[in-house]
Amino acid sequence: EAQVTQNPRYLITVTGKKLTVTCSQNMNHEYMSWYRQDPGLGLRQIYYSMNVEVTDKGDVPEGYKVSRKEKRNFPLILESPSPNQTSLYFCASSPGPRSSDNYGYTFGSGTRLTVV
Amino acid sequence: RKEVEQDPGPFNVPEGATVAFNCTYSNSASQSFFWYRQDCRKEPKLLMSVYSSGNEDGRFTAQLNRASQYISLLIRDSKLSDSATYLCVVDDMRFGAGTRLTVKP
Repeated sequence: EAQVTQNPRYLITVTGKKLTVTCSQNMNHEYMSWYRQDPGLGLRQIYYSMNVEVTDKGDVPEGYKVSRKEKRNFPLILESPSPNQTSLYFCASSPGPRSSDNYGYTFGSGTRLTVV
Repeated sequence: RKEVEQDPGPFNVPEGATVAFNCTYSNSASQSFFWYRQDCRKEPKLLMSVYSSGNEDGRFTAQLNRASQYISLLIRDSKLSDSATYLCVVDDMRFGAGTRLTVKP
């Protein structure tokens, strides 16, 4: 089954304790992206990657890191989480925004992160 | 100006009503457009792509107006199950904030 797998689904952590949210897709998609979603603010892009070893900042990259060492994986790293990073996070992948096969994003099920 | 803007709603409509949402975008070079549906606390799911000539899928019709830089989604004969937030997306994967629809009996 074609899917994007995110883990964990739920996470409660303390301020300053490094964490990684994993994201993996099995569709051989070029493009992957991380979003956070907060009430009233919609989906805001954190980082995206057009291909292996190519990553770029989105609208709200501060406090986050990503890596794209393999095509299928795109982990989101919070080196020193803070309470304002409490949010619902989504990973997504697509063939690419200008691909002739572009049929939009497939999303992971989300990670609900609470930083206390 | 935001790159993608939507009326946040909420739209509260009775069952059977026709409802339309618009979404404006700022980049005139944008090439692909989508509507997504998101249920509460779930991941967004692709509802339909929006083609230049407009397209229809059952009760749903999507249209693109390049001159005025907006896309629209029309839902006919609304069902209770259509209650959700509808998100528009343009090709650089910029999401609108979403329009909440509630269909009431």
